[in-house]
Amino acid sequence: QKEVEQNSGPLSVPEGAIASLNCTYSDRGSQSFFWYRQYSGKSPELIMFIYSNGDKEDGRFTAQLNKASQYVSLLIRDSQPSDSATYLCAFSPPGAAGNKLTFGGGTRVLVKP
Amino acid sequence: ETGVTQSPTHLIKTRGQQVTLRCSSQSGHNTVSWYQQALGQGPQFIFQYYREEENGRGNFPPRFSGLQFPNYSSELNVNALELDDSALYLCASSLDGQGYQPQHFGDGTRLSIL
Repeated sequence: QKEVEQNSGPLSVPEGAIASLNCTYSDRGSQSFFWYRQYSGKSPELIMFIYSNGDKEDGRFTAQLNKASQYVSLLIRDSQPSDSATYLCAFSPPGAAGNKLTFGGGTRVLVKP
Repeated sequence: ETGVTQSPTHLIKTRGQQVTLRCSSQSGHNTVSWYQQALGQGPQFIFQYYREEENGRGNFPPRFSGLQFPNYSSELNVNALELDDSALYLCASSLDGQGYQPQHFGDGTRLSIL
């Protein structure tokens, strides 16, 4: 079993709709979770981080964390063509020296006008 | 505030050669991590430096080495290059090495091995 699982997509979303991305992780003790957006040929850009169970909202983005079920999700409201990118889920494992990130393979999102 | 900068942006090498990649951390950040990202995959952790000391290492062979300087900039060295080393190499910095600290990435160095 991979440490972090994401659906590779592509997830096709009409402009203005909600894009829903999911990520499951295997290490039950993980504490810190991050969502990065990566445009083709570019480096990852941090868009959200969440540490506690529940929802965290920032603009059009909402991250949801459920530690009991070991999943974290990202909602993108009012999706725009500029949201078309690969979204990477990552976590910082417990007990690891430092804050190394373990990434999933990413979900490719396509927002169609 | 200056972000994370990496050099060079692109590099072409041949098998068996050695390469050095450089990274300047974001202002105020003392922790630098290096990642390798193959095409179509998520980044893989190589190692991290905190205040000039290695602070964790991923599943990479010893020919991947690094260091961090007193100004918290960092180098990644790869010896005896192999074709599979072709990838995007990413440097990320954080305020410190605590697990909850977000990491911010530079633009990366794209390394091609012929």
